[in-house]
Amino acid sequence: DAKTTQPPSMDCAEGRAANLPCNHSTISGNEYVYWYRQIHSQGPQYIIHGLKNNETNEMASLIITEDRKSSTLILPHATLRDTAVYYCIVKGWETSGSRLTFGEGTQLTVNP
Amino acid sequence: DTEVTQTPKHLVMGMTNKKSLKCEQHMGHRAMYWYKQKAKKPPELMFVYSYEKLSINESVPSRFSPECPNSSLLNLHLHALQPEDSALYLCASSQASFRSGANVLTFGAGSRLTVL
Repeated sequence: DAKTTQPPSMDCAEGRAANLPCNHSTISGNEYVYWYRQIHSQGPQYIIHGLKNNETNEMASLIITEDRKSSTLILPHATLRDTAVYYCIVKGWETSGSRLTFGEGTQLTVNP
Repeated sequence: DTEVTQTPKHLVMGMTNKKSLKCEQHMGHRAMYWYKQKAKKPPELMFVYSYEKLSINESVPSRFSPECPNSSLLNLHLHALQPEDSALYLCASSQASFRSGANVLTFGAGSRLTVL
């Protein structure tokens, strides 16, 4: 699985867009980019994933560069409840339960 | 039902006790996971079950014993733990084989374990 690099922390003003970057320069063609977040003292929560096209759901948008070496998770209108650690994970799919490994992630703090 | 339920939420045990953590899901997921998380650290994978069979054991000490009695239940049996085993234990589940969905895990809220 490709290694990912994320900034350790970011700040964002409430109501503004939060753009969280992730570098994955060694990603291979069959590997997806997954984003999870973990609000303090809760279990991680799946946000979104993608292969090469941009993806959007009710929580966020995922922008993957054309060369797939980096991606950005966008929370369009951040709220205080979006304060959490955000994890970017690159993983190929497997036919059985997989070894999903979390890195250190980015601590996003949304300020009022 | 789109939840993973973990019990108990909190557990305090002595080093000579035997206790169990329980996890239940009714989403039809056939892969289930145990993760351990220490304070201010990311979750670390311990075990993976796929179709009720242990498929991954991340070299976890034998004082942790997982069990998957059926497709909806996952247990973690604890015996002779050490204080350094105090942590948040997270259970998760996923579809075992559905392309990229196999890596979409649904996590429970965790069981916070304190070993005295």
